[in-house]
Amino acid sequence: QQQVKQSPQSLIVQKGGISIINCAYENTAFDYFPWYQQFPGKGPALLIAIRPDVSEKKEGRFTISFNKSAKQFSLHIMDSQPGDSATYFCAAARPAQKLVFGQGTRLTINP
Amino acid sequence: NAGVMQNPRHLVRRRGQEARLRCSPMKGHSHVYWYRQLPEEGLKFMVYLQKENIIDESGMPKERFSAEFPKEGPSILRIQQVVRGDSAAYFCASSPSTSGLAHGELFFGEGSRLTVL
Repeated sequence: QQQVKQSPQSLIVQKGGISIINCAYENTAFDYFPWYQQFPGKGPALLIAIRPDVSEKKEGRFTISFNKSAKQFSLHIMDSQPGDSATYFCAAARPAQKLVFGQGTRLTINP
Repeated sequence: NAGVMQNPRHLVRRRGQEARLRCSPMKGHSHVYWYRQLPEEGLKFMVYLQKENIIDESGMPKERFSAEFPKEGPSILRIQQVVRGDSAAYFCASSPSTSGLAHGELFFGEGSRLTVL
């Protein structure tokens, strides 16, 4: 039932660099694409989300890029900071349906 | 304004025992979801409940697992006759309504970590 594929599994970026995490989905009925951030020992927390009627959404240093024809979306973290080190999950949902999560990306920002 | 509350945070059980995990959703939220996270893996959907109703249990194993969300009190995920493969973090999430769900606005608790010896 893997409907959302996420890559890479782990990522190391230098402080100040750009972190990029990619996701691909299969179900064209998905209409909501959030990203969650999870710190060790904590629950996931919503970071940013996008709907397929826009190709990009930006909130501070975080940007989602969405390519509907390719069924792909990605998270960009600009000026990455050590405090951004966490596991990031993409997800997708159909209207009024459960969230389906990707496998997660463990991001490490080196100082 | 308290968030989603889960307890216990850590639970150790021996094989064959029962595990009960509790979840109190955020105030005003009537929709509860349970997800399981295995080490180094993503979040796998288990069940979606509203008060007194199971809406979607497509992710629940057919045996040993059950969930409820009574009219009064927390939601409970129950695992009978636990096996070592049940060791995982179990996360509860809540949302205020289906419109909230349509937007994917799930608020997660900090999880219950089950270890089966």
